Amino acid sequence: KAGVTQTPRYLIKTRGQQVTLSCSPISGHRSVSWYQQTPGQGLQFLFEYFSETQRNKGNFPGRFSGRQFSNSRSEMNVSTLELGDSALYLCASSQILLAGGYNEQFFGPGTRLTVL
Amino acid sequence: AQSVSQHNHHVILSEAASLELGCNYSYGGTVNLFWYVQYPGQHLQLLLKYFSGDPLVKGIKGFEAEFIKSKFSFNLRKPSVQWSDTAEYFCAVNDLSRDDKIIFGKGTRLHILP
Repeated sequence: KAGVTQTPRYLIKTRGQQVTLSCSPISGHRSVSWYQQTPGQGLQFLFEYFSETQRNKGNFPGRFSGRQFSNSRSEMNVSTLELGDSALYLCASSQILLAGGYNEQFFGPGTRLTVL
Repeated sequence: AQSVSQHNHHVILSEAASLELGCNYSYGGTVNLFWYVQYPGQHLQLLLKYFSGDPLVKGIKGFEAEFIKSKFSFNLRKPSVQWSDTAEYFCAVNDLSRDDKIIFGKGTRLHILP
């Protein structure tokens, strides 16, 4: 099975711009989660989509948004970029357990976003 | 909201030393627990997971973790580390009793001296 893929791998933007990141999950995985990884803060949960619906959301401002398509591919968008948005953005796909909760998450390589 | 604490931010050990990395979460209920590892230049990958049953779980590469419900802890252990264990380790909690989110700790950087 192909792993989780993320595009682009690297991005350089300036303050005030907007950016769209893409994630293709493992085939058959309908849950896609997004995380922001920064040194010292670890992985901070942005949001999770399942069957095209946002199921969970972290504590990020409304400038961060996402969506999921019918083929489970997901995009996240950050508008009005700030310097503090510089980070590695990780996407993870997973299967949902029948008993509730998440099974193992499979992570992509991430998109390294630098905001100048 | 649920939170996850990893007490050791940076650990340095010599090869063959024993390892224990701490992980505590803030409140109980039904939880699924995970340890992930990120080797230099590689993706995050699962080391081990606990859903139910035997609280001592074994993972890949000789790692194990023990779930102690009364202490809200899920510490990671390895009896004898190798240089190749140099990586960053993340504990994660999926709280089924509340909002079903997965919360990660801030990670522990492990550096093994050859």
